[in-house]
Amino acid sequence: ELKVEQNPLFLSMQEGKNYTIYCNYSTTSDRLYWYRQDPGKSLESLFVLLSNGAVKQEGRLMASLDTKARLSTLHITAAVHDLSATYFCAVPPRAGSYQLTFGKGTKLSVIP
Amino acid sequence: ETGVTQSPTHLIKTRGQQVTLRCSSQSGHNTVSWYQQALGQGPQFIFQYYREEENGRGNFPPRFSGLQFPNYSSELNVNALELDDSALYLCASSDTGLEQYFGPGTRLTVT
Repeated sequence: ELKVEQNPLFLSMQEGKNYTIYCNYSTTSDRLYWYRQDPGKSLESLFVLLSNGAVKQEGRLMASLDTKARLSTLHITAAVHDLSATYFCAVPPRAGSYQLTFGKGTKLSVIP
Repeated sequence: ETGVTQSPTHLIKTRGQQVTLRCSSQSGHNTVSWYQQALGQGPQFIFQYYREEENGRGNFPPRFSGLQFPNYSSELNVNALELDDSALYLCASSDTGLEQYFGPGTRLTVT
């Protein structure tokens, strides 16, 4: 059974600081997703990572994938309040599947 | 804006009742998945439909059932509602690409 673990589950950051969220998964997969969710809202797609060593950046967020270690990171650079949200990673159980297994999420609060 | 719509937005039901939630996908998206997200948790996969046939199911009892229609709409039906069914229900559609496009969700409260 595929397991996806995120840490930390809660993160309080000061504006301007850097931090990294970690996502570990238990079985080989062909891709990994990162989503953002604001309170009471749906999921917003941030990144789809396909291959070992893949790195994608959008604004202050950068995601990377190490398929050998079954580890993805979401790095936040110079955090701003607008980044406050819950971030999820998700992995399909096999290549080509859309049946995603999500982590429990990391609730990020950026404080002045 | 993903082009995926869900109705209703909010719903309150009583334990033991039945509920139908609806999702309208983008044209051409022949795969739809449904997820349940309890408060403070990550979404959990319920089932998936491809070209009107169920082709994957998560760890949910048979009282959770679904339909997909030729016009890219779909339904999630839940019978004999329980208090633990209170959650945000999300549908997601996809074509042959990598992305899944999530709808805004239906918040179901069971009292």
